[in-house]
Amino acid sequence: QSALTQPASVSGSPGQSITISCTGTSSDVGGYNFVSWYQQYPGKAPKLKIYEVSNRPSGVSDRFSGSKSGNTASLTISGLQAEDEADYYCSSYISSSTYVVFGGGTKLTVL
Amino acid sequence: QVQLQESGPGLVKPSETLSLTCTVSGDSLSPYHWNWIRQPPGKGLEWVGYISYRGSTNYNPSLKSRVTISVDTSKNQFSLKLTSVTAEDTAVYYCAREVGSRGFDFWGQGTLVTVSS
Repeated sequence: QSALTQPASVSGSPGQSITISCTGTSSDVGGYNFVSWYQQYPGKAPKLKIYEVSNRPSGVSDRFSGSKSGNTASLTISGLQAEDEADYYCSSYISSSTYVVFGGGTKLTVL
Repeated sequence: QVQLQESGPGLVKPSETLSLTCTVSGDSLSPYHWNWIRQPPGKGLEWVGYISYRGSTNYNPSLKSRVTISVDTSKNQFSLKLTSVTAEDTAVYYCAREVGSRGFDFWGQGTLVTVSS
C-alpha cells in the first residue's frame, strides 16, 4: 500500500502556528476517523500526540491539535517552541487486512 | 508506567531469519494489540504486524509471507520472526502497544538490526 503523503519539511518561528498535512484516499484517511500523529526526535522512538483525528492523549500539550477534511488530515502546532523541532508522522487505519499505513514524515524546523 | 524493551541480535546474515523479542513490564498483555513497526535508516515508519493478547495476528501484506509474530503471556513477551532477510530489512525495529483505534501509545526504545554478511 502507498504511504500517506506529507510535506517533506515545514518551518516556523517561535510563537507562530504551523500546520502539517497528511493526504490519503477515501480508503484510508477519508474513510475512517482513525488518524494518529506522532512526534519523533532523532534517535528516539515516536511519541503519540494525536489519535482518532483530534484527540490528545493525557499529558500532551493543547498546543497540538488535529483535524480532517475529506481525504486530508492536518496537525496544527500553535505557539511554536524550540522543543517542537522534530519529525512528525501521520498514520491511518486502512482496512482490516492492511490495517495501518504511515505518512512519509515531515521535518519541522523552528527558526 | 508501561515499558517495552526489544532484544535480539543486531546483525543478521542475508537469507537468514531475524528474531526479536519485546518484553512488556508495568502492565499485562490484555486487552491490547502488540505491534512491530520498523524504520530503515533515514526513512519513514512501516507497520510490520500485530498480535493480540489472545494470539490473533495481522501482518503487513507486503511482508506477510515472511513474518510470524507470537506471544508468551507467561513471560509477558511477544516476538517477531522475519525469514529470508535482505539488506532492505535493515532497520530500527520498534515494538509498540496499541489500544484499539487510539494509536500506538507506548513504544520500546527500538533496536537496530543490520542485514549484512
